[in-house]
Amino acid sequence: DTAVSQTPKYLVTQMGNDKSIKCEQNLGHDTMYWYKQDSKKFLKIMFSYNNKELIINETVPNRFSPKSPDKAHLNLHINSLELGDSAVYFCASSHGASPLHFGNGTRLTVT
Amino acid sequence: GENVEQHPSTLSVQEGDSAVIKCTYSDSASNYFPWYKQELGKGPQLIIDIRSNVGEKKDQRIAVTLNKTAKHFSLHITETQPEDSAVYFCAAAAGGTSYGKLTFGQGTILTVHP
Repeated sequence: DTAVSQTPKYLVTQMGNDKSIKCEQNLGHDTMYWYKQDSKKFLKIMFSYNNKELIINETVPNRFSPKSPDKAHLNLHINSLELGDSAVYFCASSHGASPLHFGNGTRLTVT
Repeated sequence: GENVEQHPSTLSVQEGDSAVIKCTYSDSASNYFPWYKQELGKGPQLIIDIRSNVGEKKDQRIAVTLNKTAKHFSLHITETQPEDSAVYFCAAAAGGTSYGKLTFGQGTILTVHP
């Protein structure tokens, strides 16, 4: 299937831990994104990479570090997790002026 | 930066009725306006989008209108069906290299009663 796929789908961890979320797209897109959806369903962009280059870096704590090993993959590493990091994280991809395609999200719960 | 306001936050209709969701935006540089549908446990899925060079676009039961002067755009769903029940988001972006930098509205929970 052509898609944006994220792993894991659910992630439950304790405060202070470090965790990673992985994303892969096989749509041939050149730009990938991380969006965060909070408990009130509000969606906000965090980062964007174009051909492995960081092009959007919103006001996000530097505990969050994205990495793009190639244009089909974008990972998100989070250090020293805090309760407020609990949210659903969505990966998305696009190409040129095409619409964004979103993955099905990773629900992160920090206890 | 851009700010997008979306109303109503919840909308309940009977099957077969029409549903209208409205959004306003603040940045006159925005020229791309997509609408996304999000079902439970899934990611947002594009249902229709409009660019600033057109005022209206239709795709079967779904239509979007854009008024650039007033900085508002609306989603119209006709002949609603229970499977239309979901959360709907409007968004705006400035285009160019920023097409993917979407600013989302707060979402509308649409419930279609059989």
